[in-house]
Amino acid sequence: SAVISQKPSRDICQRGTSLTIQCQVDSQVTMMFWYRQQPGQSLTLIATANQGSEATYESGFVIDKFPISRPNLTFSTLTVSNMSPEDSSIYLCSARVGGGGYGYTFGSGTRLTVV
Amino acid sequence: GEDVEQSLFLSVREGDSSVINCTYTDSSSTYLYWYKQEPGAGLQLLTYIFSNMDMKQDQRLTVLLNKKDKHLSLRIADTQTGDSAIYFCAEIPNTGTASKLTFGTGTRLQVTL
Repeated sequence: SAVISQKPSRDICQRGTSLTIQCQVDSQVTMMFWYRQQPGQSLTLIATANQGSEATYESGFVIDKFPISRPNLTFSTLTVSNMSPEDSSIYLCSARVGGGGYGYTFGSGTRLTVV
Repeated sequence: GEDVEQSLFLSVREGDSSVINCTYTDSSSTYLYWYKQEPGAGLQLLTYIFSNMDMKQDQRLTVLLNKKDKHLSLRIADTQTGDSAIYFCAEIPNTGTASKLTFGTGTRLQVTL
């Protein structure tokens, strides 16, 4: 299965600033996904990022707050903009790396604390 | 809409079996998954089951699927302290939006000595 390198692994940020999270996949993938995991909660999908098109956002998430780039088939970034303490979460990227049951691999996550 | 439901917490003694249950939402989901999340880590795919199967066994892990009741379970035999983690079930609902995983609420498994 593929390996996803995600960075930074954690950060503490001031409110009002922005943080960009990067994910690098060791193989070419069509679909990448960004999730948020609030403290003690499950994973919620933020958006789906396909190369060559704009990301598709889920209900409750907007591009101005969470802009996403997908410049090629192995890389994506998520920016958390104008942060507030409510944005403190773990952010995870995922890629669909093949068909069938082994389709989804996850990065190790970015633990974000906004102060 | 409906949530993928799991019980929040399970405590077992080392060496016993653990059974983690999940009720999912879409009877037409093709694949159902079990992921493990250790503290401070991302998600690790443990196993999956295709919807035309009732059971799948993989070493210490046994997955049971009841499509009629939309019920999925994960049994861990001979549970070890290293199995302590949060376990998530996940499905790909047939909502017309391609390929996005919907996760359960997560079950925290605590293994005691």
